[in-house]
Amino acid sequence: KAGVTQTPRYLIKTRGQQVTLSCSPISGHRSVSWYQQTPGQGLQFLFEYFSETQRNKGNFPGRFSGRQFSNSRSEMNVSTLELGDSALYLCASSFTGTSYNEQFFGPGTRLTVL
Amino acid sequence: AQSVTQLGSHVSVSEGALVLLRCNYSSSVPPYLFWYVQYPNQGLQLLLKYTSAATLVKGINGFEAEFKKSETSFHLTKPSAHMSDAAEYFCAVTIIIQGAQKLVFGQGTRLTINP
Repeated sequence: KAGVTQTPRYLIKTRGQQVTLSCSPISGHRSVSWYQQTPGQGLQFLFEYFSETQRNKGNFPGRFSGRQFSNSRSEMNVSTLELGDSALYLCASSFTGTSYNEQFFGPGTRLTVL
Repeated sequence: AQSVTQLGSHVSVSEGALVLLRCNYSSSVPPYLFWYVQYPNQGLQLLLKYTSAATLVKGINGFEAEFKKSETSFHLTKPSAHMSDAAEYFCAVTIIIQGAQKLVFGQGTRLTINP
């Protein structure tokens, strides 16, 4: 079974631009979560989608948004990029997103904002 | 609110020595706890998880962790370190909001193995 895939793996943008990151979950998984990883803040939860609905959202500004498609693939968008948005963005999928379901992580997209 | 604290941002051990990575949790309800490992330029891989079935949990690559409710701890151990164990390790607890899972991670512990 193929794992979680994220595209692109690396991205360089400049301040003020917007960016879209993509995540394809493991086949059959309906829950997709996004996390931001930075050296200073560690791993922080962005949001979670299940069956095309956002069920859960972390404490990030409205510039961070996401969506999920009917095939469970998910995209994350960041508008008006700031230097502080430079991070590794990780996507994780699970079958239902309930507490006992393991989350499987993708390799991440490393975003650099110049 | 549920949270985890990892004691020690860096741990260094010799090859063949015991590995002990510490994690304490805070939770008002019985927690689901996880240990993940992250190798350079990779995502997170699950090492093991505690879901109340057994207090001693065995994971992959020879790692295990023991859930101790009285100490609110979930420390990760491996009897004999291998060079390939060098990585960053994260302890995490599940928070359930509106039926959906959210993982709250500790700050991570970078494990270095000395030859």
